[in-house]
Amino acid sequence: DVKVTQSSRYLVKRTGEKVFLECVQDMDHENMFWYRQDPGLGLRLIYFSYDVKMKEKGDIPEGYSVSREKKERFSLILESASTNQTSMYLCASDGRNEAFFGQGTRLTVV
Amino acid sequence: SQQGEEDPQALSIQEGENATMNCSYKTSINNLQWYRQNSGRGLVHLILIRSNEREKHSGRLRVTLDTSKKSSSLLITASRAADTASYFCATWEYGNKLVFGAGTILRVKS
Repeated sequence: DVKVTQSSRYLVKRTGEKVFLECVQDMDHENMFWYRQDPGLGLRLIYFSYDVKMKEKGDIPEGYSVSREKKERFSLILESASTNQTSMYLCASDGRNEAFFGQGTRLTVV
Repeated sequence: SQQGEEDPQALSIQEGENATMNCSYKTSINNLQWYRQNSGRGLVHLILIRSNEREKHSGRLRVTLDTSKKSSSLLITASRAADTASYFCATWEYGNKLVFGAGTILRVKS
């Protein structure tokens, strides 16, 4: 059974902290994505990666960075967390005809 | 930018009725996908329709694609309370960028 695992289901961080969200897939997929989801706005693409060490900005990359040192792992980094980054974060891995999602991380920045 | 835009934003129907959701997109596509999200969870792939297909069925799901109008529709027949969820369309942009719309929230009342 295919699997995308996000490191935390819920996370509470303080303003200014550096936050790491981890995502691991076991399907040997090349493409991986990070989205944030806010009510009424759907899924907005933050960053994506099409290969190890390769990354591309999505539609809302400001305030975020990513790391892909190994094919199976794609990390999202909030350099200095702010309250407007409180959101649901979703990681996905893509097999070209179907994307597989993790369970999501609900991040609250206080 | 949002490649896929769903319509309506929210839909409330009685169990047994049909539910139709629409999606519009902006650029040329190779395929269009529909996903479902149960409350607060990751998305699950429902169905993919290729650009050379006009209609596709999967169980109670029927998807149509009109490339001349850059639009797609998802029909769920004989809806059930368990169909209550958010539904999203997704398309590929510039090769490796998978983008989603704002989604349609479907509520099926029993």
